Amino acid sequence: DTEVTQTPKHLVMGMTNKKSLKCEQHMGHRAMYWYKQKAKKPPELMFVYSYEKLSINESVPSRFSPECPNSSLLNLHLHALQPEDSALYLCASSQGLFEQFFGPGTRLTVL
Amino acid sequence: QKEVEQNSGPLSVPEGAIASLNCTYSDRGSQSFFWYRQYSGKSPELIMSIYSNGDKEDGRFTAQLNKASQYVSLLIRDSQPSDSATYLCAVYTGANSKLTFGKGITLSVRP
Repeated sequence: DTEVTQTPKHLVMGMTNKKSLKCEQHMGHRAMYWYKQKAKKPPELMFVYSYEKLSINESVPSRFSPECPNSSLLNLHLHALQPEDSALYLCASSQGLFEQFFGPGTRLTVL
Repeated sequence: QKEVEQNSGPLSVPEGAIASLNCTYSDRGSQSFFWYRQYSGKSPELIMSIYSNGDKEDGRFTAQLNKASQYVSLLIRDSQPSDSATYLCAVYTGANSKLTFGKGITLSVRP
């Protein structure tokens, strides 16, 4: 099973809202990732968790707050977002420096 | 110099032809190389991984790696209209071993 699940599929939020994106994998992978992807651009790395610890933060604004409650779950908490944060948010997982498997993504629109 | 470069597209081939997609990378220490396919509005799907010099075949897909030339390619034989998508080359690069993507190339297979 190479499935990564993400909820919700779509999210519309105002600039004052707080929301969370969720990601889950049951492949036993110990690395999990958040990416942001704008139209016609490649995925852009935001955060990496390795063994449930944050190992890479690509200078992402503090209005994005990641959390890794356990080895299977990854959350991205959103607060006070801007319209330019509208994008496809992708979660991925991998076992070390091997294949990364992506979830279906959450399409986020910030009004 | 960009870390991972792909041919500028789009690329259009007739049905049944061979599509050749190319990618170069700058980090000589890179060890893991991937091709992802992304349909419009969907998330990237891993189609090939390659770790050692030479060719790797999987069905109609062949990945080729030449570490001396820092070059990785993807050949799609007997191209089908369903192969029409954006193809992303990805390489683990740098001290932090982040997965770095090329800009992607859009392939169109004409019936």
